[in-house]
Amino acid sequence: GQNIDQPTEMTATEGAIVQINCTYQTSGFNGLFWYQQHAGEAPTFLSYNVLDGLEEKGRFSSFLSRSKGYSYLLLKELQMKDSASYLCAVRDGDYKLSFGAGTTVTVRA
Amino acid sequence: TAGITQAPTSQILAAGRSMTLRCTQDMRHNAMYWYRQDLGLGLRLIHYSNTAGTTGKGEVPDGYSVSRANTDDFPLTLASAVPSQTSVYFCASSDDGGGGDNEQFFGPGTRLTVL
Repeated sequence: GQNIDQPTEMTATEGAIVQINCTYQTSGFNGLFWYQQHAGEAPTFLSYNVLDGLEEKGRFSSFLSRSKGYSYLLLKELQMKDSASYLCAVRDGDYKLSFGAGTTVTVRA
Repeated sequence: TAGITQAPTSQILAAGRSMTLRCTQDMRHNAMYWYRQDLGLGLRLIHYSNTAGTTGKGEVPDGYSVSRANTDDFPLTLASAVPSQTSVYFCASSDDGGGGDNEQFFGPGTRLTVL
């Protein structure tokens, strides 16, 4: 199974940068995903990492270190619409996703 | 393109009653999944199907059953609902069993309350 830890809540100011950390312990690893979930809505895909390093997609970047069992999601130039939960998910050797409990990010003006 | 649809949007159910949550996708994805999402616990996999005609158990399968008669539909049945099954249920699908960078696409969810 998987054990995935991420902070419960984070607060940041509009225009700032926030980094959401995720640590995991796995019985197999086939990639790490980040999803965004607005309140009352479905999760939507943000990023995918399978090799060590940084993946950048516009204002969002995701980093992976497989040896450390660690990832982070970096949100730059924060906007009010970025207020949401961010879910870290690890795919195991059977290609099943295990999710962390999610980090609720609140962006303040 | 509708993507994934779920029905009903919400439901209040008496304990002991049965219910089927419906899920349909129009993306021709071969893999489909059912999750439940509870506060503080995140999304947990109930059952999955890698292709039509096959199903498998996830992390929390007890009290639930699924079938996959065709590619598009993946219903989830609660045979005799209990209050601990109160949750938000999400259906998801992915291409090629979720390998590579193929992400899972999620339906809008069904909010179920068992009293």
